[in-house]
Amino acid sequence: QTVVTQEPSLTVSPGGTVTLTCASSTGAVTSGYYPNWFQQKPGQAPRALIYSASNKHSWTPARFSGSLLGGKAALTLSGVQPDDEAEYYCLLYYGGARVFGGGTKLTVL
Amino acid sequence: EVQLVESGGGLVQPGGSLRLSCAASGFTLSSYSMNWVRQAPGKGLEWVSYISSSSSTIYYADSVKGRFTISRDNAKNSLYLQMNSLRAEDTAVYYCARDYSNSWYVNVDYWGQGTLVTVSS
Repeated sequence: QTVVTQEPSLTVSPGGTVTLTCASSTGAVTSGYYPNWFQQKPGQAPRALIYSASNKHSWTPARFSGSLLGGKAALTLSGVQPDDEAEYYCLLYYGGARVFGGGTKLTVL
Repeated sequence: EVQLVESGGGLVQPGGSLRLSCAASGFTLSSYSMNWVRQAPGKGLEWVSYISSSSSTIYYADSVKGRFTISRDNAKNSLYLQMNSLRAEDTAVYYCARDYSNSWYVNVDYWGQGTLVTVSS
């Protein structure tokens, strides 16, 4: 049973910087896991932010960036805005199957 | 404009069956793989199934293997999920999501708004 682990919750001040991480129970997350990141607000469908570790969609705000950091996938928000308060999910690729992390609830306070 | 619209959700008794549909528009469905993803009330996202553009490759989560069947009809711009032997723990909002994958990247970009499936007696 593959488990993808994210921080359950994080709090950041407006204008601050925060990094969310995504770890795999199988070992270090590498580019071959093609990490995707999604934002979900209450009552809404998920919205894609990052694909294949660091690639942004055309609609992804510049303050969001993805990377591989210390054996994990990472999503960094710089210059956080109140509107960034949401649940964030990572998705990893396991040779066909995909597995979501449990999500990180980001509070902007 | 890319649009994905799910339908077919509803209330079903344990052990029953349901077929979900996802209507695609604004892009050529035959060029993309697709996924079903679900979210139980108050819980996180759970990947359910993947189908390649030509239906040649299919994957399922262990939790639904043997009970759910993913399929597609590119001529009708539609994706399907046949769900049999439903259990209470299958209660969730079911989303379809577009997937573009090759040797260099996996890109799950557009999502539908979801359809609610409730399994209860």
